[in-house]
Amino acid sequence: DSGVTQTPKHLITATGQRVTLRCSPRSGDLSVYWYQQSLDQGLQFLIHYYNGEERAKGNILERFSAQQFPDLHSELNLSSLELGDSALYFCASSAVTGNTEAFFGQGTRLTVV
Amino acid sequence: DQQVKQNSPSLSVQEGRISILNCDYTNSMFDYFLWYKKYPAEGPTFLISISSIKDKNEDGRFTVFLNKSAKHLSLHIVPSQPGDSAVYFCAATDSNYQLIWGAGTKLIIKP
Repeated sequence: DSGVTQTPKHLITATGQRVTLRCSPRSGDLSVYWYQQSLDQGLQFLIHYYNGEERAKGNILERFSAQQFPDLHSELNLSSLELGDSALYFCASSAVTGNTEAFFGQGTRLTVV
Repeated sequence: DQQVKQNSPSLSVQEGRISILNCDYTNSMFDYFLWYKKYPAEGPTFLISISSIKDKNEDGRFTVFLNKSAKHLSLHIVPSQPGDSAVYFCAATDSNYQLIWGAGTKLIIKP
């Protein structure tokens, strides 16, 4: 158990809909990272938050947004969903920004039908 | 443009032998490299890392070698065990601390 909790584990929704993925980092970790892993693809970095502030953006679509709350949990919002958004979405946390030995949650598997 | 490449999608190795997983990168600004291991339906777990000031780092059965001139790193697992069967991701980071990931190599250890 990495200490990073992601909910829900599975999500099935229709095209055009909006979903919210939730991540609770390890206790004390200030950094939260979101990644997308599509079928047979590597991990694509989406966005990084540190102590509530956005630190870096990767290949995140404009239809996607994220935030980190004062209690340090984070949410990834995906809107106007398309079939191609079906993927595993991972959250990772680390104690400080720049600590690349992050701990990953088990992921949320999103299926858009 | 893939800055971190793992050119072998899969690798099959006999139990007890050495497993060698390779990774190439293109960005000379990368200064820290990591290997993560991933089982199905689980998140990746950190395995071993190496700084660009070193050329080797060892942790038990796992050794990572870095060849900066060739922009190449490799992960050696000796001896390979059935529990090592997983997908291995190579990742790199520069001064911005963002991890750039390879596509992964599926390692299969045959009994």
